Amino acid sequence: DIQMTQSPASLSASLEEIVTITCQASQDIGNWLAWYQQKPGKSPQLLIHSATSLADGIPSRFSGSRSGTQYSLKISRLQVEDTGIYYCLQRYSNPWTFGGGTKLELK
Amino acid sequence: EVQLVESGGGLVQPGRSMKLSCAASGFTFSNYGMAWVRQAPTKGLEWVATISYDGSSTYYRDSVKGRFTISRDNAKSTLYLQMNSLRSEDTATYYCTSPVYWGQGVMVTVSS
Repeated sequence: DIQMTQSPASLSASLEEIVTITCQASQDIGNWLAWYQQKPGKSPQLLIHSATSLADGIPSRFSGSRSGTQYSLKISRLQVEDTGIYYCLQRYSNPWTFGGGTKLELK
Repeated sequence: EVQLVESGGGLVQPGRSMKLSCAASGFTFSNYGMAWVRQAPTKGLEWVATISYDGSSTYYRDSVKGRFTISRDNAKSTLYLQMNSLRSEDTATYYCTSPVYWGQGVMVTVSS
């Protein structure tokens, strides 16, 4: 199985700050990587698909990048509504695997 | 508007069965592979099963193989998850997903 190691597990940042979350894949997954945001009591929302493509309706302050088997989600200017838990997901092969999640809070 | 609406959850005793449904609307359901993802209370997301757009291929996580069956009815735009021999560790909120779109989730509690 492909392991997705997500870091950090939690993060506290200030408004307008730049935030970066990473996922390290245990093997090549190409661009089969997505990022989701989940708010308490809600279902996940797709932010980024295909490693770097912004999902419909998602603000441009969110971006995804890839360097080899390391994938990053960047929030360029943190807003209040960006708090929540972020997950990466690889769909390169079965079983699909999620990262462990990053809890993002406002400082 | 895209909607995925799960139903069929609730409280069930260990060893019993339960069937979840997910009614899709607002997109061409028959064009998409679909999946079930679950989330135990206070835990992260965990993929459960996937089915191809036409139902010809299915995949399961090891812990549910032989107990859960994913299926679909494209004429009804509905996804299913038949869960047999349920265990306490299957307790979770179950989401159907496209995986662009997600349902609101349905809670399954396995307890005596």
